Amino acid sequence: QQQVKQSPQSLIVQKGGISIINCAYENTAFDYFPWYQQFPGKGPALLIAIRPDVSEKKEGRFTISFNKSAKQFSLHIMDSQPGDSATYFCAASSGGGFKTIFGAGTRLFVKA
Amino acid sequence: DARVTQTPRDKVTEMGQEVTMRCQPILGHNTVFWYRQTMMQGLELLAYFRNRAPLDDSGMPKDRFSAEMPDATLATLKIQPSEPRDSAVYFCASAPTALQDQPQHFGDGTRLSIL
Repeated sequence: QQQVKQSPQSLIVQKGGISIINCAYENTAFDYFPWYQQFPGKGPALLIAIRPDVSEKKEGRFTISFNKSAKQFSLHIMDSQPGDSATYFCAASSGGGFKTIFGAGTRLFVKA
Repeated sequence: DARVTQTPRDKVTEMGQEVTMRCQPILGHNTVFWYRQTMMQGLELLAYFRNRAPLDDSGMPKDRFSAEMPDATLATLKIQPSEPRDSAVYFCASAPTALQDQPQHFGDGTRLSIL
């Protein structure tokens, strides 16, 4: 019940296309859902985050869509660029605790 | 630009040896995390500290792993004795407060190989 399931494992997108990464969770106590971006040889860095009281959050080319009833959320990268090539992790945590559960990661490659 | 500093960047050692990894959190951050990343298990939380006190180390094998914060500028993760299955990248992260939505700032990790 603590798991966050992420798909796909890897993704290849043409430059200018839309990258979509999906995550699902079971624990309804989760109330904070961040996405992290990781480049090779670096630690993950927070990209964008959402709480379940909103259905969508947009920051630049990055959008999180959240479906509370389905217990699913997704990251959309619009106008994908080669510089977006990285591994993306969805994550979840519950209020009052700091224990963040990470998805398995999606390796994104944007072809020039 | 403030950043979390981890040393060493890479460590190769033989099974049975003691390994110590160090982390300097961002100045002023009072919450520190240790994670382990492997291809099989992904990113796992090992332990975290708030104001230098351990809050949760349930993710850490207690018989061989230990985590401490001797002072506010240093966190350590020790493995004794090390085993080949401990080979992974170990990340330290810090956050400014205990609030849930404060971003965790990760270091660049220590890549550990146990032969």
